[in-house]
Amino acid sequence: NAGVTQTPKFQVLKTGQSMTLQCAQDMNHNSMYWYRQDPGMGLRLIYYSASEGTTDKGEVPNGYNVSRLNKREFSLRLESAAPSQTSVYFCASSGLGTGNYGYTFGSGTRLTVV
Amino acid sequence: QKEVEQNSGPLSVPEGAIASLNCTYSDRVSQSFFWYRQYSGKSPELIMSIYSNGDKEDGRFTAQLNKASQYVSLLIRDSQPSDSATYLCAVNIASGNTGKLIFGQGTTLQVKP
Repeated sequence: NAGVTQTPKFQVLKTGQSMTLQCAQDMNHNSMYWYRQDPGMGLRLIYYSASEGTTDKGEVPNGYNVSRLNKREFSLRLESAAPSQTSVYFCASSGLGTGNYGYTFGSGTRLTVV
Repeated sequence: QKEVEQNSGPLSVPEGAIASLNCTYSDRVSQSFFWYRQYSGKSPELIMSIYSNGDKEDGRFTAQLNKASQYVSLLIRDSQPSDSATYLCAVNIASGNTGKLIFGQGTTLQVKP
């Protein structure tokens, strides 16, 4: 059982380049989330999708877009990367839309923007 | 004021001692609270959840919730060096029929042999 799978694990971008971070879960979860983690900042919510077909902004959505492709997949796109987007990105999923149950996290993507 | 606040630490305790980690939150209607453990370079893993006032015990871990004071804590008894990690407090913030977890900045725990 793979759980939550994120690709790629590492990425270096030049300022202004674009990229898409991929996330897939095989637990039949309704809700999926994208977080970023910076030193001393904990996890900050970028976007989330309570169910297939819906997406909502989180705490720090600027500079990002998301797509809930189907129930399994939730992608995060950086259209024009900036050094401030250097971070570790985590995808997570949860069994219920209310978020009343703990999340399962992917292994993370370490992104460096130079 | 941050929605979820933790002391970033580091909190240093000797092996075998009780480690006490604290968290406060601002959303009075929150109903679900979680503690995650994160080892350096790894993803967070859920260790405790609590939904009602009082204590919840699971092995060496005890979560405590006081909704009136908007306070949740985690006690780790008989601390081991393997408990050295960052502990993240998370609070479910309801939004209509959905919810989202908001995390504190995490407390780094160091257990010294």
